[in-house]
Amino acid sequence: QEKVQQSPESLIVPEGAMSSLNCTFSNSASQSIWWYQQHPGKGPEALISIFSNGNKKEGRLTVYLNRASLHVSLHIRDSQPSDSAVYLCAVSNTNTGKLTFGDGTVLTVKP
Amino acid sequence: NSKVIQTPRYLVKGQGQKAKMRCIPEKGHPVVFWYQQNKNNEFKFLINFQNQEVLQQIDMTEKRFSAECPSNSPCSLEIQSSEAGDSALYLCASSQHWGGAEQFFGPGTRLTVL
Repeated sequence: QEKVQQSPESLIVPEGAMSSLNCTFSNSASQSIWWYQQHPGKGPEALISIFSNGNKKEGRLTVYLNRASLHVSLHIRDSQPSDSAVYLCAVSNTNTGKLTFGDGTVLTVKP
Repeated sequence: NSKVIQTPRYLVKGQGQKAKMRCIPEKGHPVVFWYQQNKNNEFKFLINFQNQEVLQQIDMTEKRFSAECPSNSPCSLEIQSSEAGDSALYLCASSQHWGGAEQFFGPGTRLTVL
């Protein structure tokens, strides 16, 4: 059974700083890794995904995947107060499509 | 922005009562997932469908939970006999296919079992 762990549990950064979130997973088999953002009272919203080793950049977001070390990270450049939310790392099962989520990182960006 | 619709947003039931919630997936999305999110942000996959067929479901779902996605009607998730431990946010997500595609989530149904 896939296990996903996230760190830190919570992160406070000043506006304009870089936010760095980490995620480890238990199965190195090929599958997509997703980062979701969830604001209070709303469902998760996909931000970015990665499948291949290496990095992927979209706007202020950069994600790094290292399958050998079972590690993926998300970096948010120039963090804004509106980025304050819970960030969820999720691994997609290629056979069933189901997502296995980590417990999330609560990001707070202070103005 | 997701166009998955979930109703009701809030549901309060007594122990032993039935609890039913509905989901309308995004248009053109044949795959539907149900997840349970507890107050500690722990997610549990419950069941998924492709069109009207069940793809996978967990053991918990087979006992007190039932779900369906009939043609031309909303999908539904029903708990036959609610327990206090069922109190959670129930999230429906839809996708264009089951193999690793983006899942679009609704706002969820918050179930409280008294």
